[in-house]
Amino acid sequence: GQQLNQSPQSMFIQEGEDVSMNCTSSSIFNTWLWYKQDPGEGPVLLIALYKAGELTSNGRLTAQFGITRKDSFLNISASIPSDVGIYFCAGQLSGNTPLVFGKGTRLSVIA
Amino acid sequence: GAGVSQTPSNKVTEKGKYVELRCDPISGHTALYWYRQSLGQGPEFLIYFQGTGAADDSGLPNDRFFAVRPEGSVSTLKIQRTERGDSAVYLCASSLGNSPLHFGNGTRLTVT
Repeated sequence: GQQLNQSPQSMFIQEGEDVSMNCTSSSIFNTWLWYKQDPGEGPVLLIALYKAGELTSNGRLTAQFGITRKDSFLNISASIPSDVGIYFCAGQLSGNTPLVFGKGTRLSVIA
Repeated sequence: GAGVSQTPSNKVTEKGKYVELRCDPISGHTALYWYRQSLGQGPEFLIYFQGTGAADDSGLPNDRFFAVRPEGSVSTLKIQRTERGDSAVYLCASSLGNSPLHFGNGTRLTVT
């Protein structure tokens, strides 16, 4: 099925460093979401973006909805060990259509 | 309950058998989704319920897969004549209106 292009696939960073990951699509979405998944658990919502150009923060996390509506990025500042996990972007065309997910970015934090 | 509950958490079955996976959504959530997640991949959409009816079942891979939500709350995903390729984590999510999806922890299905 359709999936978003997420990069990088994996990252190894030192604790305290900032992280940036992004997501692109060949088609437009009207909602962009970022989820985090820990082993053995379901994805947990981090940030939801509803408007092109929107920049939203949630603690150390910041995400932006691209102007073209075909991309989004997620930044994590001052990473800590509990940031380890897989980060997924997801796009949604409208409230009645299913989310389309990227393949995820696996983040490892070295203490 | 406080969150989306899925049972069982793990299911091992033999090729050719029938399995049922259960999802209890967050109380009051009208929309319910089933996704399948293979190793190293993101979740892939299977089917979406609004109330009791399947609003979109375009993600079901073939007619061995079927899902019901008879009373608009609990949903069951049914897989007939399981194949090894069906092995994956099956995730359920629910939402209220246009709010973001809340996921359960999934059922890990292994077909031997």
